Amino acid sequence: SQQGEEDPQALSIQEGENATMNCSYKTSINNLQWYRQNSGRGLVHLILIRSNEREKHSGRLRVTLDTSKKSSSLLITASRAADTASYFCATEGFQKLVFGTGTRLLVSP
Amino acid sequence: EAGVAQSPRYKIIEKRQSVAFWCNPISGHATLYWYQQILGQGPKLLIQFQNNGVVDDSQLPKDRFSAERLKGVDSTLKIQPAKLEDSAVYLCASSLDSQMPYGYTFGSGTRLTVV
Repeated sequence: SQQGEEDPQALSIQEGENATMNCSYKTSINNLQWYRQNSGRGLVHLILIRSNEREKHSGRLRVTLDTSKKSSSLLITASRAADTASYFCATEGFQKLVFGTGTRLLVSP
Repeated sequence: EAGVAQSPRYKIIEKRQSVAFWCNPISGHATLYWYQQILGQGPKLLIQFQNNGVVDDSQLPKDRFSAERLKGVDSTLKIQPAKLEDSAVYLCASSLDSQMPYGYTFGSGTRLTVV
C-alpha cells in the first residue's frame, strides 16, 4: 500500500515560475524524501528531511515538513524546462521507504 | 562511483512464461531493494535485502515471484509464471545502511510487458 498522497496529481507552469507540490502521509516517520523521475528512467534522490527538521534547502529546492499535520511540501523556484518530470515523496519508517502517488510537473518554455 | 546496474532494459514475454531480472548495486551498499512501478503509480516495495538476508518480503507475491541475493552483492528477481498484471517497471535500489537516513540510489529499471 502507498503511504503518501500527493497534490496536485499534475501541474503545468511556465519557465521561471515556482512549482509547489504537497505530500500527506498517514503514520509516524523517521524521515521524508523527495525523488524525481524522468519519463522512462529511474528515480533520482533530491532531498531528505528528518522528522525533527522543519525546513531544508538544496539549490532551487525548498522542502518543509509538518509532522503534526503529517504533511510536506516541495517548492522548486525559478523552474526550467528540464524540471519536467514526475516528483514523488517517500516516507521512511521501520527501515522501509514507501512512495506516494506522485505529481507530474510540466514546465513549458 | 558507478550507479546501480540493471538488465535487461526491456523485456516482452507472453503470459505464463517466466522472466528474470538482474541487479548489481553500488559497491559497499548493504541494503538492496526491488520495487514494482505500475504505469501512473508510485513504486511499491516488493522485497528488501540486508546483505544476503531478507528483511521484508511482505508484499512479494510468493506464489509467482522469487528473489535472491547471492553473496550479499548481485540480486535476481524472477517471475514464474507471468500474468498480464505483472506489466510494470521493476526498479532495483541500494543504500548504504537501512538504519541510517540516506537516500536510495535507483537503477534505470527493467520495463516488462506481458502480452
